[in-house]
Amino acid sequence: KNEVEQSPQNLTAQEGEFITINCSYSVGISALHWLQQHPGGGIVSLFMLSSGKKKHGRLIATINIQEKHSSLHITASHPRDSAVYICAVPAGNQFYFGTGTSLTVIP
Amino acid sequence: KAGVTQTPRYLIKTRGQQVTLSCSPISGHRSVSWYQQTPGQGLQFLFEYFSETQRNKGNFPGRFSGRQFSNSRSEMNVSTLELGDSALYLCASSSIGTDTQYFGPGTRLTVL
Repeated sequence: KNEVEQSPQNLTAQEGEFITINCSYSVGISALHWLQQHPGGGIVSLFMLSSGKKKHGRLIATINIQEKHSSLHITASHPRDSAVYICAVPAGNQFYFGTGTSLTVIP
Repeated sequence: KAGVTQTPRYLIKTRGQQVTLSCSPISGHRSVSWYQQTPGQGLQFLFEYFSETQRNKGNFPGRFSGRQFSNSRSEMNVSTLELGDSALYLCASSSIGTDTQYFGPGTRLTVL
């Protein structure tokens, strides 16, 4: 079993749809990160969460520490949101990564 | 501020060779972490350096090594390359007191 599980693996949405990506983890954490990776490889850190909810533009990230679960929501999705979204959990001496959710937003 | 830079961006090597990749962190950042990304395994943590010392290490064989210089620039070295070492190698830097990491564009290594 992976320490960090993401779902779904692939997601196709129509422009404007509300999108949710889920992340469950089994390792203890101090903070959970959501990363965005566009084709070509560049990774951007979207959020770092240790509790509650954070919002940045159309992106909202929530975390439930007791249930060891986090969600990333995208409101009013746009084709430029097409990317791979990865959750990452620091634990012990290293980071554990989910396998990523590949999102395609169709115009 | 300039972002994290990595050189080279692309590299082709043959089995048995060794390779050195370079990472320059954001000015003022003293922590540099390295990651390997492959289609099969996804992102995996290699190691982290802080103030020229390896602070954390992932589960990779001894063929993977790294170092950090006094200006915080870091290099990673892979010796005796194997086909399975073909991957995107990413480095990320962060400043003291924060977990937010800033990623470089990566070096895509192909081993033939």
